[in-house]
Amino acid sequence: DIQMTQSPSSLSASVGDRVTITCRASQGISNYLAWYQQKPGKVIKLLIHGASTLQSGVPSRFSGSGSGTDFTLIISSLQPEDVATYYCQNYNSVPLTFGGGTKVEIK
Amino acid sequence: QVQLVESGGGLVKPGGSLRLSCAASGFTFSDYYMSWIRQAPGKGLDWVSYISTTSTYTTYADSVKGRFTISRDNVKNSLFLQMNSLRAEDTAVYYCVRGSGGNSDYWGQGTLVTVSS
Repeated sequence: DIQMTQSPSSLSASVGDRVTITCRASQGISNYLAWYQQKPGKVIKLLIHGASTLQSGVPSRFSGSGSGTDFTLIISSLQPEDVATYYCQNYNSVPLTFGGGTKVEIK
Repeated sequence: QVQLVESGGGLVKPGGSLRLSCAASGFTFSDYYMSWIRQAPGKGLDWVSYISTTSTYTTYADSVKGRFTISRDNVKNSLFLQMNSLRAEDTAVYYCVRGSGGNSDYWGQGTLVTVSS
């Protein structure tokens, strides 16, 4: 199975800060990487697929990059509504494994 | 708009069975692979299973293989998960998801399954 390791597990940043979350796969997964956002009490939302393709309706302050084993999710200017836990997911092969999540809070 | 509404969760004893349902609306259900993903209390996301559009192909996480069965009814726009031989570690919120990977673009609110004596 491909292991997905996210870092950090949590972070606190100020409104307007640039936030970077990394995800590393235990073996190469090309660009078969998705990012999801989970807000408390809200439906889980797909943010990015194909490592860098923004899902329709997702604000442009979110971006993704990477290929192979190393991936990054960037929030260019953190907003209060971005408080959430973010998960990466490998969909290169079954089982479709998730990272452990990164909890983002406002400082 | 796309809606996925799960039902069937509840409290069940270890070794028991439960059948989850997901009612889909707002899209052509038969055009999409569908998945179940779960989340144990306070934990991360854990993929369980997905099924192809015509039910030809199904696949499962090793942790549920042989105990869980995914199925669908394209006439009734419904997805199901039959869960047998339940264990304490199956306790989780179970989400119905449209898609099977990077196209998992809509999620339900989830239904809680608690396995406890």
